[in-house]
Amino acid sequence: QKEVEQNSGPLSVPEGAIASLNCTYSDRVSQSFFWYRQYSGKSPELIMSIYSNGDKEDGRFTAQLNKASQYVSLLIRDSQPSDSATYLCAVTVQGNTPLVFGKGTRLSVIA
Amino acid sequence: SAVISQKPSRDICQRGTSLTIQCQVDSQVTMMFWYRQQPGQSLTLIATANQGSEATYESGFVIDKFPISRPNLTFSTLTVSNMSPEDSSIYLCSVVGTGTTDTQYFGPGTRLTVL
Repeated sequence: QKEVEQNSGPLSVPEGAIASLNCTYSDRVSQSFFWYRQYSGKSPELIMSIYSNGDKEDGRFTAQLNKASQYVSLLIRDSQPSDSATYLCAVTVQGNTPLVFGKGTRLSVIA
Repeated sequence: SAVISQKPSRDICQRGTSLTIQCQVDSQVTMMFWYRQQPGQSLTLIATANQGSEATYESGFVIDKFPISRPNLTFSTLTVSNMSPEDSSIYLCSVVGTGTTDTQYFGPGTRLTVL
């Protein structure tokens, strides 16, 4: 059974700090990895995708993938109170197959 | 990314009744999925909506309870049948666009409360 594991949190960081969110997955043939942000009462919003080992940067966000360790992470630099949300890690084996979601990590950025 | 709308955005229903949720996309998409998010939980896939054929359901979900239609490449419906309070959830459709290989985007969701 495919599983995606995340620490549920809450993860509290001060404003301006780096928030580090982690995710592990069980299916070794997984190919595509996503991070979604979900504000309370809203639907998930895609913030990052990553497909190859290494780092991928987009603004204040950096996704890191290590397929050997079956590990994905998301770093948020210069965290802002507006980053406070639940972050969902999602994995898929190949294109056009449904995502498998982790339970999400709740991030709280303290002003 | 595609613009996705869902109707209704929320509803309060009585036990034993049924509700049909619509998902409309502003462009043709290859794949459409329906998810459920129960209070305080992550997303659980209900089914893949297949255009022109029966939906593919995940374990624990059956067609009699959650009938799905997808008559074309831009529209799908999910019906929650014979509702009970345990069906109170947010129901989300998601799509994979024709211009992408696997990136999924979500509609705004339908918040359902069953009394």
